[in-house]
Amino acid sequence: AQSVTQLGSHVSVSEGALVLLRCNYSSSVPPYLFWYVQYPNQGLQLLLKYTSAATLVKGINGFEAEFKKSETSFHLTKPSAHMSDAAEYFCAVSDPNSGGSNYKLTFGKGTLLTVNP
Amino acid sequence: NAGVTQTPKFQVLKTGQSMTLQCAQDMNHEYMSWYRQDPGMGLRLIHYSVGAGITDQGEVPNGYNVSRSTTEDFPLRLLSAAPSQTSVYFCASQGPNQPQHFGDGTRLSIL
Repeated sequence: AQSVTQLGSHVSVSEGALVLLRCNYSSSVPPYLFWYVQYPNQGLQLLLKYTSAATLVKGINGFEAEFKKSETSFHLTKPSAHMSDAAEYFCAVSDPNSGGSNYKLTFGKGTLLTVNP
Repeated sequence: NAGVTQTPKFQVLKTGQSMTLQCAQDMNHEYMSWYRQDPGMGLRLIHYSVGAGITDQGEVPNGYNVSRSTTEDFPLRLLSAAPSQTSVYFCASQGPNQPQHFGDGTRLSIL
């Protein structure tokens, strides 16, 4: 069974500071990994995904994440936080062997990012 | 292109009432799913479907029914609502080797 652990339910940074949101996964097979963002009263939007190609993945809005198999991690970073980055972020894992498509996602519990002026 | 459309956006029910949450997608995606989101719990999979006529249970299926008669629609039914089903419900659809597309959610309160 797969699982995702997001360390820190709430992260607070100053505008312009580095953003680091942590995600560790447990999977019996090399997984697909995703980061989603949720703005208040909205659905989830995909930030980026890892599907066994390059281990450093670049996403939208200046975010990137690095897949580290030895650490079973997929941490999300952004060099300089903007006020507009304030949202909740979810890490998710799927089994690439699940029916030929990566459709069954297991989500972490989320990290709320606050950006202070 | 509307994407994934969920209706209603808000609903208040009394314990024991039934209702159907609607989900429709216009991307011809085979895969659709329902999640519930509760504070501090992330999103948990309720039911999913890999195509018309095919559904299966996710992590938290009890109290919910689904059917998939067309590719476009995937309704979620609460037969006898309970306060524990107060939550925000999200529908998602996905094409082959694509990320999941989410609707804007239905906020359901059960008194």
